Amino acid sequence: AQTVTQSQPEMSVQEAETVTLSCTYDTSESDYYLFWYKQPPSRQMILVIRQEAYKQQNATENRFSVNFQKAAKSFSLKISDSQLGDAAMYFCAYRSRAGGTSYGKLTFGQGTILTVHP
Amino acid sequence: NAGVTQTPKFQVLKTGQSMTLQCAQDMNHEYMSWYRQDPGMGLRLIHYSVGAGITDQGEVPNGYNVSRSTTEDFPLRLLSAAPSQTSVYFCASSYLQGWNSPLHFGNGTRLTVT
Repeated sequence: AQTVTQSQPEMSVQEAETVTLSCTYDTSESDYYLFWYKQPPSRQMILVIRQEAYKQQNATENRFSVNFQKAAKSFSLKISDSQLGDAAMYFCAYRSRAGGTSYGKLTFGQGTILTVHP
Repeated sequence: NAGVTQTPKFQVLKTGQSMTLQCAQDMNHEYMSWYRQDPGMGLRLIHYSVGAGITDQGEVPNGYNVSRSTTEDFPLRLLSAAPSQTSVYFCASSYLQGWNSPLHFGNGTRLTVT
């Protein structure tokens, strides 16, 4: 079974600065998808960015980018020019492409609470 | 476009009571799932479905039942509520084809069992 670990329960950053959230995962599969979701106090789950394992190029979405290290099984999220609206819980998630009991399942990390200071 | 609609938003139950959390999506997604969110544990999969008439268990299925009679609806039933089921519940759906299709989440249900 796959596991996802976010080792930073809490992080903080000054507005306009850059912060990196860590995520590692364990899998025996070679093809899969990775996601970062944001959960603000409203409780809504919002997709931030996604990465396909077979693509070597790191995904970027505006101020958000990832550092995907497949061999190290690492998938960190970098937020540049942090804004007050970035304050939220961030979840890293793994999605298998295999069949069987892992079919479609999204496995989440424990989450990292990000605080943005003005 | 409503997306994924969950009801109710909040619910308080007494131990032993039963209830159904409703989930409906209007995106014609084949895949639907239920997660629970607990502090320090992320989101854990309860049950999922890959199409009408097909359901399967996730990580934490005990105490919950599901059914999928239509593509749109995927209700979660708590058979006999226990305090350990106090949690925030999310319904989520996606297409099956194209696995980079992210899960679309409902807004969650906060359930308290006393």
